[in-house]
Amino acid sequence: SQTIHQWPATLVQPVGSPLSLECTVEGTSNPNLYWYRQAAGRGLQLLFYSVGIGQISSEVPQNLSASRPQDRQFILSSKKLLLSDSGFYLCAWNYGQISYEQYFGPGTRLTVT
Amino acid sequence: AQKVTQAQTEISVVEKEDVTLDCVYETRDTTYYLFWYKQPPSGELVFLIRRNSFDEQNEISGRYSWNFQKSTSSFNFTITASQVVDSAVYFCALSEANQAGTALIFGKGTTLSVSS
Repeated sequence: SQTIHQWPATLVQPVGSPLSLECTVEGTSNPNLYWYRQAAGRGLQLLFYSVGIGQISSEVPQNLSASRPQDRQFILSSKKLLLSDSGFYLCAWNYGQISYEQYFGPGTRLTVT
Repeated sequence: AQKVTQAQTEISVVEKEDVTLDCVYETRDTTYYLFWYKQPPSGELVFLIRRNSFDEQNEISGRYSWNFQKSTSSFNFTITASQVVDSAVYFCALSEANQAGTALIFGKGTTLSVSS
């Protein structure tokens, strides 16, 4: 069966510090991978998605970036965090048709102070 | 443009009551998919159901049932005999088959509180 992992689970970072959140999927090959952000306990916003290694599409311009160095690894990064980057970050995956349901990881709660 | 509206922000019920969560969507595509997700206090989104636009048959799974009506662009979710464990935020979502690089378009969610 497939599982998705995210770490860290929680993170408190000062403004201006760098960020690296990691997501890995087990039990499948060539998944589509997604990063979402949920602010204030509501409304999921798609940040990035990837259909293959090195292929990243950005949905919203911001100071975040994503990379996919390996087939089942998806990384969300920032060089300098802003207060507005605080939120709950969720990684998700699906396979086959990109329109189908996505399966979400446990999330990372980021607080920028 | 595609859009999902969940007009109910919060609903509070007592255990064993039935509750219906509303979802209205907008899309120009003829082939699309609708979803419901549950987000318990732990935060992880749990997939509940996918419905294809060409299949309007209602579905029942235990205490959960879904009513899909294309005529009113609605995909409502009913929990029968609610339980405390049903307390969560529920999201309705939409994706379009013909849109390249699609994402799930989520509604803002409905917070369901079930008290004992």
